[in-house]
Amino acid sequence: SYELTQPPSVSVSPGQTARITCSGDTLPKKYAFWYQKKSGQAPVLVIYEDTKRPSGIPERFSGSSSWTVATLTITGAQVEDEADYFCYSTDNSGQIQVFGGGTKLTVL
Amino acid sequence: QVQLQESGPRLVKASETLSLTCTVSGYSISSGFYWGFIRQSPGKGLEWIGTVYYDGTTFYNPSFKSRVTLSADPSKNQFIMKLFFLTATDTAHYYCARHARYGDPRSWFDPWGQGTPVTVSS
Repeated sequence: SYELTQPPSVSVSPGQTARITCSGDTLPKKYAFWYQKKSGQAPVLVIYEDTKRPSGIPERFSGSSSWTVATLTITGAQVEDEADYFCYSTDNSGQIQVFGGGTKLTVL
Repeated sequence: QVQLQESGPRLVKASETLSLTCTVSGYSISSGFYWGFIRQSPGKGLEWIGTVYYDGTTFYNPSFKSRVTLSADPSKNQFIMKLFFLTATDTAHYYCARHARYGDPRSWFDPWGQGTPVTVSS
């Protein structure tokens, strides 16, 4: 089965840049998407189609993708950005929708 | 704005069937978007379960093989998941969500419901 691989955790101090990676064999051909999930809340889309930011998402959130690795970057991370972040994409056929294992971002 | 709300039992017994309903408000499920269920098991990542259209068209994650069925009830603006032959590994938070792109069951999910916890007991 197709998998997306993320680091389990990333830790930064407030104001620093946090980078969370997502590795997958189909990412050269398929878009990556990123969700923020805080405890007890619904997931929130923060990046779609590799680099696009939905309305209402702060500009400090950005996305990029290079070959088999997609990256979510939070420039000047804030304490309120502490959350789990999941990447999402599909397999080559587009039939199977897959999430990464999630990365716990700590900002302190 | 579209809102989704999951409902169903929080505790079910192993080998039984879980039935969860997603009630949509602010948008008709018959208006061209596809709808899905996703879950997150304790300590694990998110897992797509399946997708349904208002006319009953479905797509399933092969990982669930024949253990799941999705259906839609446009008259109630709801869609439903039934997961059969439950085991402890089905203990999870279950979410419903709308596929983001009109008419595209392969598009990403946005928005999501708040989710509902389900525990499978032996």
